[in-house]
Amino acid sequence: AQKITQTQPGMFVQEKEAVTLDCTYDTSDQSYGLFWYKQPSSGEMIFLIYQGSYDEQNATEGRYSLNFQKARKSANLVISASQLGDSAMYFCAMREGGFTGGGNKLTFGTGTQLKVEL
Amino acid sequence: DAGVTQSPTHLIKTRGQQVTLRCSPISGHKSVSWYQQVLGQGPQFIFQYYEKEERGRGNFPDRFSARQFPNYSSELNVNALLLGDSALYLCASSFRQGAIDTQYFGPGTRLTVL
Repeated sequence: AQKITQTQPGMFVQEKEAVTLDCTYDTSDQSYGLFWYKQPSSGEMIFLIYQGSYDEQNATEGRYSLNFQKARKSANLVISASQLGDSAMYFCAMREGGFTGGGNKLTFGTGTQLKVEL
Repeated sequence: DAGVTQSPTHLIKTRGQQVTLRCSPISGHKSVSWYQQVLGQGPQFIFQYYEKEERGRGNFPDRFSARQFPNYSSELNVNALLLGDSALYLCASSFRQGAIDTQYFGPGTRLTVL
């Protein structure tokens, strides 16, 4: 089974509108972390936001927020007030287990290509 | 502060050759991880090094090896290159703060195997 599932290969949004990118995950661990990264066409992965499995509140970072629904195992990224520069590939990723001995392998989804239009 | 740096930016090799990719972590970061990203897919974990010791290895053949130096920089070596090794190779460094261990990625090395 896929550990990280992103079901939207591509999304379009109008400038200044909000957009939600979906991510569901599968793990049997109680302790895990969820990350969202942005990858422009240049290739560099840019960290956006983090949500820990024990965090009771949804994470927010500027225009980015993470809609964390633990029972549904979903961690959707919400981008408010979209800008042309938000056009990029977006990846959801998970680190399973606690941070023991330095282990921090990330498992990525297949990504969602977001296009912001005027 | 300088981010993660990787060299070279691009590389073209032929089948059977060997390649070495280099990564310098963010200052103060002791953990370095390597990922392979084939076109159209998400990155796949190859290795993680922490304090110069291997702490994790992904499902990659023994042709792939890595090491970390005392200054926490790292090298990824790939021997006997195959066409399927063509990919973007990403290096990430991290520093644990409490329960959070965010990985910050470099710009990547784009490897083409002909």
